[in-house]
Amino acid sequence: AQSVTQPDIHITVSEGASLELRCNYSYGATPYLFWYVQSPGQGLQLLLKYFSGDTLVQGIKGFEAEFKRSQSSFNLRKPSVHWSDAAEYFCAVGAILTGGGNKLTFGTGTQLKVEL
Amino acid sequence: DAGITQSPRHKVTETGTPVTLRCHQTENHRYMYWYRQDPGHGLRLIHYSYGVKDTDKGEVSDGYSVSRSKTEDFLLTLESATSSQTSVYFCAISERTGVGGQYFGPGTRLTVT
Repeated sequence: AQSVTQPDIHITVSEGASLELRCNYSYGATPYLFWYVQSPGQGLQLLLKYFSGDTLVQGIKGFEAEFKRSQSSFNLRKPSVHWSDAAEYFCAVGAILTGGGNKLTFGTGTQLKVEL
Repeated sequence: DAGITQSPRHKVTETGTPVTLRCHQTENHRYMYWYRQDPGHGLRLIHYSYGVKDTDKGEVSDGYSVSRSKTEDFLLTLESATSSQTSVYFCAISERTGVGGQYFGPGTRLTVT
């Protein structure tokens, strides 16, 4: 069965500083990988996704993630954080379900705080 | 944003009562999902649907049932609510298998007293 680990529960960075959020996954085949962001009281918004090809994936809001098969990692990065990036970030791995569609297995999330 | 609405957005109910949550989409996506979000667990899949009248269980389906009588609506029913079902429930949709990701609704906060 697939699993996702986000080792950092909380991260605090200063506005303008770079950011890296860690994600490690366990999955037997080539994974479908996703990063989502959740603002307080809101649903989840898809930031970016990876399923094949270039291992550096660009997403919305200036985020990018790099897939490293040898390390089973899919870390999220941003060169310069803005105060509006404060939110909770979830990494997920997808598996194809019987009948189609994907089951997403989520990590427990990383809460990002941005200091002004 | 994907056209997904959930109703109600907040609900307080008593233990033992039935509860139905509704998810409505305007995207005509084939696949629909119900997740619950709890602190320390991330989101966990309850049930999903791969077409009208086609549904299957996820990893935490005990105590829940679903129905999908038309493409746009996916209902989640708690037959007899328990305090352990206090959670935030999210509906999601996707168009394709594998790639593409899922798009989430705004959530329903359910409290069972």
